[in-house]
This record gives sequence, C-alpha cells and structure tokens, in this order.
Amino acid sequence: ETGVTQSPTHLIKTRGQQVTLRCSSQSGHNTVSWYQQALGQGPQFIFQYYREEENGRGNFPPRFSGLQFPNYSSELNVNALELDDSALYLCASPSGSYNEQFFGPGTRLTVL
Amino acid sequence: GDSVTQMEGPVTLSEEAFLTINCTYTATGYPSLFWYVQYPGEGLQLLLKATKADDKGSNKGFEATYRKETTSFHLEKGSVQVSDSAVYFCALSGEGFKTIFGAGTRLFVKA
Repeated sequence: ETGVTQSPTHLIKTRGQQVTLRCSSQSGHNTVSWYQQALGQGPQFIFQYYREEENGRGNFPPRFSGLQFPNYSSELNVNALELDDSALYLCASPSGSYNEQFFGPGTRLTVL
Repeated sequence: GDSVTQMEGPVTLSEEAFLTINCTYTATGYPSLFWYVQYPGEGLQLLLKATKADDKGSNKGFEATYRKETTSFHLEKGSVQVSDSAVYFCALSGEGFKTIFGAGTRLFVKA
C-alpha cells in the first residue's frame, strides 16, 4: 500500500509564529504535493515538489515554503502565521497512473 | 484557469434514496476526473475516477460518467446507506499531479 503519514496530527500556534509540518510517503515516488483545506472548503493546492525541487505553486505567498528529502519525506514550513492559516494541511503522493493521488490524514493547524 | 463547480450542500436523504451530486468543470486539455470522499474525522479517500471522455468510474455502488460535451461528472448512487454520510469532492487533474477540487458537498443519510 502506498501509505502517506503526516505529523503532528494537531497543532496550536499563535499569530506570528512559525510552524513545520511533516509528511512521509511509502510509495517511493519522487513527487509530493501539499494542500490547504480550510473549514468547509475543498483542498487548495499549495505547491508540489519533484526530485527535491519546487515544481509548481498555487496562489500562496512565499511565507509558505517546503522541502523534500531523498528518502521521500517532505516538510511544509509556514512563517509569520496568520489567523487565516488555520486549516487542515494535506500531503499527497501519486498512487498510480492518471494523476491519481494518495492523501495523508492531514495536520490540523489552529492559529490563535 | 481550470476549475470545478459542484452543487452546494448539505444534501439530506433517507436511507435507500437515490443520490445525485452534480459536478461541472472547466479545463484546458483532457484532464482526469475524480470523486473523493471525506468521512468525519478522516482524510481524503479516492472514491472513483475516469480518465477520458465517456469513461464510467464506479466503486461501492457509486458511479460517475465523464461527459466532455457537457463538461460534467455527476456522482450517482441508486440506494444510499447511513454509512455513506460524508463530504464528497469532485476534482480534476491535468499534467503534473496538481489536483483542483470543488468546494465539497456534505451528504447526510437518515435511517
């Protein structure tokens, strides 16, 4: 199974702080994508990493940044947190052909 | 740019009722189309997919047909169960695995 795990499950931060979210995929695929899902909304594409380089970005400011490591793990970093950053953050890795993705369970970030 | 529009919820049905959730899309090229489901407290799961025009995706009694002429991918199920209560997301993906989601439709099924 192409499992995707994320940590932590929940996180509470205050405005202005920085946060790092982590993702690990067992798929062995060299592509990872991150999405933000605000409450009651569909997931929004943040960016994608391919072979450790950013390979596409959605409409998110530069304070959202990422890293991908050779072991297929990935990080999402958010600086200068704002209240609107409160959301479920999802990591995804390809699970087959035809652009199908396998999503992790997500990290629930609350910014106070 | 590419986009997905799906019917607003919540949709409330009685058990064994017929379900339709409408989804239309705007895209350049020939995207793959998906329905994802999110059960309470869980992550996104792929429900079904279709990769080209006139393909029918199906899983767990749910079906959706890729209609290029109407740019639609409506989700249907003949007889819903209480366990189908969840949020359903229509989505499309072109090149590069970027997936664009609709806003989601919450389904409540009453016993």
